[in-house]
Amino acid sequence: RKEVEQDPGPFNVPEGATVAFNCTYSNSASQSFFWYRQDCRKEPKLLMSVYSSGNEDGRFTAQLNRASQYISLLIRDSKLSDSATYLCVVPRGGSARQLTFGSGTQLTVLP
Amino acid sequence: ETGVTQSPTHLIKTRGQQVTLRCSSQSGHNTVSWYQQALGQGPQFIFQYYREEENGRGNFPPRFSGLQFPNYSSELNVNALELDDSALYLCASSPDQRGGTGELFFGEGSRLTVL
Repeated sequence: RKEVEQDPGPFNVPEGATVAFNCTYSNSASQSFFWYRQDCRKEPKLLMSVYSSGNEDGRFTAQLNRASQYISLLIRDSKLSDSATYLCVVPRGGSARQLTFGSGTQLTVLP
Repeated sequence: ETGVTQSPTHLIKTRGQQVTLRCSSQSGHNTVSWYQQALGQGPQFIFQYYREEENGRGNFPPRFSGLQFPNYSSELNVNALELDDSALYLCASSPDQRGGTGELFFGEGSRLTVL
């Protein structure tokens, strides 16, 4: 099993839609999780951190299921500007600064 | 506040050559990490430097090496380049070695093409 696996996508959704991405991880000892966003030909940037069962920030909700080793990211009321690749990220070992990235899920929000 | 800067932004090399990529960390950040991102993949951890010492390494061969300088800037060196080394090389800095929010601040990367 890969350390971090994501829905490969791509996801093409209309503006205003709700879309959810899934991610599974293999290291059951992981305590923190992250979603990064990467725009086309740009660097990744932190979108959300998840330390307990979940986190909500405006239209974005991240949920964590430790028993199933599963993380999700929900985007409500999608905007054109949400078009990007979303990377599921888990720390390597005990360091939150050394990260294992999934291969990313590409989202395109259509007008 | 100056962000993470990398140079060069693009370069082309041939197989067997050597390359050095440079990174200036964000002001106040003492930890620098390097990642390799192949097309269509997520970034892969190469190694991390903290206080001029290597502090963690991913699954990369010894021909990938690095340095961190007293001003926290860093270099990534790759010897004996192979075609599969073609990728975007990302440098990321953070304010401390462990803990914290897990937020890394990435530069825009150096895109290496090996012919």
